[in-house]
Amino acid sequence: QKEVEQNSGPLSVPEGAIASLNCTYSDRGSQSFFWYRQYSGKSPELIMFIYSNGDKEDGRFTAQLNKASQYVSLLIRDSQPSDSATYLCAVKGSGTASKLTFGTGTRLQVTL
Amino acid sequence: DGGITQSPKYLFRKEGQNVTLSCEQNLNHDAMYWYRQDPGQGLRLIYYSQIVNDFQKGDIAEGYSVSREKKESFPLTVTSAQKNPTAFYLCASSNPLRGEADTQYFGPGTRLTVL
Repeated sequence: QKEVEQNSGPLSVPEGAIASLNCTYSDRGSQSFFWYRQYSGKSPELIMFIYSNGDKEDGRFTAQLNKASQYVSLLIRDSQPSDSATYLCAVKGSGTASKLTFGTGTRLQVTL
Repeated sequence: DGGITQSPKYLFRKEGQNVTLSCEQNLNHDAMYWYRQDPGQGLRLIYYSQIVNDFQKGDIAEGYSVSREKKESFPLTVTSAQKNPTAFYLCASSNPLRGEADTQYFGPGTRLTVL
């Protein structure tokens, strides 16, 4: 059973729309949650992290965390073609080591 | 200019050879990590080190070895015992003591191909 699940996509949204990316996790004691963006052939780059229930906003990006439902999401407002990439959800578990568990990623396509 | 460097960018290996991938960071981070990514897959943890001269196996350590003799460096050796080494290898670092939820930052990666 996968510990971090994401829909592989592709998720296709028109330019200017809101893209909604979702992630569920199995470890109820998980502490921190990260969203990375990965362009094809490149390494992941951090978008944002969240560790408290609720919303966290950074520019066009909003992360939402619901620990009771074991669910974290990323909203991208005013989507641009440059947002087309794979978005990886990563979760830091309840152990003391700093290990992250990654989902397989959701591929986002922003169409003109 | 702080960051994480990995070399080489591309590496070709013949079957039966050991190869070493370099990872260096000047972010003064205590923790370093090695991941492997296969096409269409998420990242899988190979080894990690939280402090100099100490490291732990990740989820897929078989066929790999590491050392952590310096805080800045965490080289990964892919041995001939690794049966399917062709993949994209990513090094990351973090500072667990800093107030960033222990965020990991990635180097540019090394793409290893076995001929």
